Amino acid sequence: DTGVSQNPRHKITKRGQNVTFRCDPISEHNRLYWYRQTLGQGPEFLTYFQNEAQLEKSRLLSDRFSAERPKGSFSTLEIQRTEQGDSAMYLCASSPGQNQPQHFGDGTRLSIL
Amino acid sequence: QQPVQSPQAVILREGEDAVINCSSSKALYSVHWYRQKHGEAPVFLMILLKGGEQKGHDKISASFNEKKQQSSLYLTASQLSYSGTYFCGTEIVGTYKYIFGTGTRLKVLA
Repeated sequence: DTGVSQNPRHKITKRGQNVTFRCDPISEHNRLYWYRQTLGQGPEFLTYFQNEAQLEKSRLLSDRFSAERPKGSFSTLEIQRTEQGDSAMYLCASSPGQNQPQHFGDGTRLSIL
Repeated sequence: QQPVQSPQAVILREGEDAVINCSSSKALYSVHWYRQKHGEAPVFLMILLKGGEQKGHDKISASFNEKKQQSSLYLTASQLSYSGTYFCGTEIVGTYKYIFGTGTRLKVLA
């Protein structure tokens, strides 16, 4: 169990640029979640994958956000035309099944200049 | 829709006890508890699947009242390492959306 890995750890970019984050879940986990967390708040659900299928997407997620999980392994989260309000910590978590613990990565901290 | 936790914050001395409550306006079929230390990712504590279920791990335990749509986390004889923000969490019934409660900041002083 090598844990959930996220890259990069930090990303600083100018407003209007596109950014992509990667998440490598624990290998035998078929469930993968993306969350966004701002200072003082709890993690906010963005999207959920079961294997390669994206089964749930938050309505809070604008069309500038897209996520993929090709082949049901690693996942990527892309934000296009970044805005100041996108500054946050983006967390990825994986779990082996329903009502099983979610294991979180260390997150990618995004800062928009 | 987000479960409400109380208290919002609590300060304890080492060895004191605390109770954190999580209350939902919607039906809860399971409740999960996580602790997040400053600058770190949330870490799983326990899952309660059935109404009336109680679980314990070391000096941390929890209960789940399905009818009242509430769960409580009990920390006894608190240690410095218990400091952090505690979140309850649940999957919204009929969806795959997972939501966290409003959070409780707990600080244990020596």
